[in-house]
Amino acid sequence: QSALTQPASVSGSPGQSITISCTGTSSDVGSYNLVSWYQLHPGKAPKLMIYEVSKRPSGVSNRFSGSKSGNTASLTISGLQAEDEADYYCCSYAGSSTFLWVFGGGTKLTVL
Amino acid sequence: EVQLVESGGGLVQPGGSLRLSCAASGFTFNIYEMNWVRQAPGKGLEWVSYISSSGSTKYYADSVKGRFTISRDNAKNSLYLQMNSLGAEDTAVFFCARSGSSTLDSWGQGTLVTVSS
Repeated sequence: QSALTQPASVSGSPGQSITISCTGTSSDVGSYNLVSWYQLHPGKAPKLMIYEVSKRPSGVSNRFSGSKSGNTASLTISGLQAEDEADYYCCSYAGSSTFLWVFGGGTKLTVL
Repeated sequence: EVQLVESGGGLVQPGGSLRLSCAASGFTFNIYEMNWVRQAPGKGLEWVSYISSSGSTKYYADSVKGRFTISRDNAKNSLYLQMNSLGAEDTAVFFCARSGSSTLDSWGQGTLVTVSS
C-alpha cells in the first residue's frame, strides 16, 4: 500500500482561498469517512485541523473545511492568513494491522 | 490540557537499539489507544505502531515489524517504543499520538532519532 497523493506545494495571497487535494484508493480514502488533516509547523506538535472528512475540532477556525468525493479528499482554507503558512498532511484510516493509518506526502502552503 | 512529551531520542549506531518514551498528562491515559508516527528528514509522516488501551493488541507497520516493540504502563501514564536493529532508514522524528474521535487527535512535539556511524 502506498502513501496518499498530495501536491507538493500550493500558494495563495492573504484573503484568498486555496484547496489541497489528497488522493488515495478504494482501500483507504474511498472506504472510510475517516480522513483527517494536520497542520505542521517545524519543531511543533502536529495540529489536528479536520477529522472524519469534514469535522472541525474545538478551537479550529471555520476558515478550514474538508470534503471527500470517491477516493479524493480535499482541504479548503478560506480567507488565507499569514499564520496559515505551514505543511499540511492528510491521513486516512486504512484498516490493516500493518497499515492502520496512511498519510499523504505533505503539502507546503505558502502565503504570498 | 492534553500533553504528550516524547523523550529518549538521540544518536545511535547502525544495528543499535534505542527506547523511546512518551509521558502523557491531562487526560485519562488508560482508556485511550496510542500510536507512534515518524517523519524522516524531508519526508512525509509514516504510521509506525499502535497499541490498545489495555496493551493487549499491538500493530506494526511492515517496515518495523520484528524490530520495534510498542508497550505502555498505564500506572505511569507512559507509552514506549523499543527499537532494535536500527538502520539509516529509521532516522526520523518520532511522535506519539493519541487515538480519539476516529483520528489521531493529539500529538507530542517529537523526539529525533539519528542512526549513523
